[in-house]
Amino acid sequence: AQTVTQSQPEMSVQEAETVTLSCTYDTSESDYYLFWYKQPPSRQMILVIRQEAYKQQNATENRFSVNFQKAAKSFSLKISDSQLGDAAMYFCAYLVEEGGSEKLVFGKGTKLTVNP
Amino acid sequence: DAGVIQSPRHEVTEMGQEVTLRCKPISGHNSLFWYRQTMMRGLELLIYFNNNVPIDDSGMPEDRFSAKMPNASFSTLKIQPSEPRDSAVYFCASSSARRSGNTIYFGEGSWLTVV
Repeated sequence: AQTVTQSQPEMSVQEAETVTLSCTYDTSESDYYLFWYKQPPSRQMILVIRQEAYKQQNATENRFSVNFQKAAKSFSLKISDSQLGDAAMYFCAYLVEEGGSEKLVFGKGTKLTVNP
Repeated sequence: DAGVIQSPRHEVTEMGQEVTLRCKPISGHNSLFWYRQTMMRGLELLIYFNNNVPIDDSGMPEDRFSAKMPNASFSTLKIQPSEPRDSAVYFCASSSARRSGNTIYFGEGSWLTVV
């Protein structure tokens, strides 16, 4: 069974500094996708960044980047120049295609606080 | 394109009543998911459909829960009878490997409170 582990229930960072959220996953598949979603207090699930497992290059979206280590099954999220609006729950998710269908498995989340 | 549209956004109902949550996926997406989020259990996949067919409903808690997808643009999640422990945020999400590159897009959620 696929599992996703976020070992940091809570993290905090000073505004304008950098923070890294960790995520590990367990799978026997070789082709899959990984995502980070942000959930602010409004509860909306917002896609932050995605990574295809077959790509060696780490994905980057503006201030957000990932460190994807396939052999270690690690997928951490780095937020640079943290802003107050980055405060939210962050969920790591793993998606696998099985028989033409898709299944997305989430970690428990990391609550990020940004201090002014 | 409009995003995933869910209704109602908020619902408060009494225990024992029937609750119906509705979802319109993104046009062209052929996979649809229902998730439930609670403080205790986090995000749980309840059921997902591919091309309107239920593929995996192993996450549906019990017979009080049922989901349908009569066509590509509409799905419902029904709880009958509802119980206080069903109080949660229910998310609908959709994706298409061809159009969204396997990215799953979420609706804004339906906040359900059963009293």
